[in-house]
Amino acid sequence: LAKTTQPISMDSYEGQEVNITCSHNNIATNDYITWYQQFPSQGPRFIIQGYKTKVTNEVASLFIPADRKSSTLSLPRVSLSDTAVYYCLVGDYNNAGNMLTFGGGTRLMVKP
Amino acid sequence: EAQVTQNPRYLITVTGKKLTVTCSQNMNHEYMSWYRQDPGLGLRQIYYSMNVEVTDKGDVPEGYKVSRKEKRNFPLILESPSPNQTSLYFCASSSLGEANEKLFFGSGTQLSVL
Repeated sequence: LAKTTQPISMDSYEGQEVNITCSHNNIATNDYITWYQQFPSQGPRFIIQGYKTKVTNEVASLFIPADRKSSTLSLPRVSLSDTAVYYCLVGDYNNAGNMLTFGGGTRLMVKP
Repeated sequence: EAQVTQNPRYLITVTGKKLTVTCSQNMNHEYMSWYRQDPGLGLRQIYYSMNVEVTDKGDVPEGYKVSRKEKRNFPLILESPSPNQTSLYFCASSSLGEANEKLFFGSGTQLSVL
């Protein structure tokens, strides 16, 4: 199982772009990279998922270099409501085993 | 509506009194899992299940039991709760074998063991 490492916390201001990087040096060939957002006292919710290169949806972009040993979640023009904990998750949805284990997450604080 | 339903939302109990937290999903997902969340420790996996009658330990299984008799249900059982099991618990589910799948989480169960 690929272990992930993220910064513990980050601060930003409204309107700025925020980039959160996750390291996963032992990522396996079949692993996907998924990011989740969690607000206090709520379950995490899916933000974005990718396998390689770049993925973009209505809320974020995910950049994955060719070696796939890291990934960067990019949040454009953050607002106060983006204050949350962000988790990077690496796992294989096709394979049996102890998959889908979360790391410590990155606590993002957006200031006015 | 696709959802994972946990009950109860809040629970206060005393040491040693057996309890069960229920989890049910309506998406026909094969994979289900329990996590606990404590301040500063993120989400830690307790048990997971790949399908009916298939369960396995996560990172912190001590003091917990689970069962998967039906595909939709995955209850978490604390046979003899202790104060160190005071935590916020989340159940999650996902399908397997497909790309672009994701975990769906319940709303959480805040457990206090006195």
